[in-house]
Amino acid sequence: NAGVMQNPRHLVRRRGQEARLRCSPVKGHSHVYWYRQLPEEGLKFMVYLQKENIIDESGMPKERFSAEFPKEGPSILRIQQVVRGDSAAYFCASSLMGDLEEFFGPGTRLTVL
Amino acid sequence: EDKVVQSPLSLVVHEGDTVTLNCSYEVTNFRSLLWYKQEKKAPTFLFMLTSSGIEKKSGRLSSILDKKELFSILNITATQTGDSAVYLCAVLIYNFNKFYFGSGTKLNVKP
Repeated sequence: NAGVMQNPRHLVRRRGQEARLRCSPVKGHSHVYWYRQLPEEGLKFMVYLQKENIIDESGMPKERFSAEFPKEGPSILRIQQVVRGDSAAYFCASSLMGDLEEFFGPGTRLTVL
Repeated sequence: EDKVVQSPLSLVVHEGDTVTLNCSYEVTNFRSLLWYKQEKKAPTFLFMLTSSGIEKKSGRLSSILDKKELFSILNITATQTGDSAVYLCAVLIYNFNKFYFGSGTKLNVKP
C-alpha cells in the first residue's frame, strides 16, 4: 500500500517563476491537507481540500498561492511568482473521512534562488 | 486565535536521561491532541489523546492529556541517540477537522 506521495522532492526556482507541488493521497483517502514548514518552525496549516472542493483555505496567503484537488489526479499546490520567503518544506497529508490520523507525505523542499 | 505552544523549544540531554516535553493549547472546538516525531522527513504519528487523565504508552514513550488545564506532556525515559528529533504537538478541532501544530521541541540526545 503506497502512502502519501509527493513530487518533486526537491524543487529549485528563481524569483518570479512558478512552482507546482503535487500530492497523491493514500488510495481511498479523499481529504488532503497542505502544510508549510519554515526553517526552525513547526508545521503551519495552509489549506484543506476534498475532491473538487476547497474546504478551508484560511492558512493560504491571499496572493500567489492556490490549491486544487481535482476529481482525477493529484492535489496541486501552485505558487506563482515565487519569492525567497517561499523557500520552505511543503508537506501534504491525507486522511480517510472520519479518521483523525493524518498520513504525511515526504514533503517537497522548495528553494527559491 | 487558536494556538498551540510547545516548550522547551530545544533540549539537550545525555543517553539514559528522562525528558518531559510540554504542549499547551488554546483552541475552540477541541477534538484531540496528537504527538508526532519528525526527523529529516515527514512527521510520524506517535499518540492521539482525546480523554483527560488516560496515559498512552508505547515502549519508552508515554503521554497524557489534561483537558482542564489545556496541556499535554510527552515523556521519554532512558533516552537514546535515536530519539533525537523534533517532536511536534498538534491539536485537532471539530471545525473542518483542522489541525494546528506547535513549533516543535528539538531534542538532541548525546551519547
